Amino acid sequence: DIQMTQSPSSVSASIGDRVAITCRASQGINTYLAWYQQKPGKAPRLLIYAASSLHRGVPSRFSGSGSGTDFTLTISSLQPEDFATYYCQQTNTFPMYTFGQGTRLEIK
Amino acid sequence: QLVQSGAEMKKPGSSVKVSCKASGGTFGDYTISWVRQAPGQGLDWMGGITPMFGTVNYAQKFQGRVTITADKSADTVYMEVSSLRSEDSAVYFCARGDSGLYEAMDVWGQGTAVTVSS
Repeated sequence: DIQMTQSPSSVSASIGDRVAITCRASQGINTYLAWYQQKPGKAPRLLIYAASSLHRGVPSRFSGSGSGTDFTLTISSLQPEDFATYYCQQTNTFPMYTFGQGTRLEIK
Repeated sequence: QLVQSGAEMKKPGSSVKVSCKASGGTFGDYTISWVRQAPGQGLDWMGGITPMFGTVNYAQKFQGRVTITADKSADTVYMEVSSLRSEDSAVYFCARGDSGLYEAMDVWGQGTAVTVSS
């Protein structure tokens, strides 16, 4: 099974900061990588698919990069509504999926 | 839109069956997955079904106690967990995988809370 490891597990940042979250796959997954945002009590929301493609309706301050085993989600200028938990997910072994353990983004 | 059934309270050893209905359309050739989230924990993919073809896949840790089925005529997918234990207390989400988005899950149900307690 492919394991997905996110870092950091949590991060504190201020409004306007640039934040990067990384995700590493235990084996190569090409660009079959998605990023989700989840707020308490809500379902996850798709942000990025295919490692770097912005899903419709997602603000352009979100971006994704990487291929193979190493990936990054970057938020260029944090807004109040961005404080949430972020998950990566590999879809390379569809129909079997794996999520990362999550990164909690908190207000400093 | 995916609409899930309501919250459930169950006794240990019993079963629970959660539904996920495609509102305003059909599943087409999409795959519908089930994702578990225990309190304060992350997302755990349980398994999925492609209703058009009837193919089902399970994560190894859920194989044996989880059954995923579909009723195409009702545009509804079901997920049943048997022999419930306290560790199965969680919110269960259904989600649609879109092949046009490299199988990312772009539509999610609202979640169904299952509480297992004696």
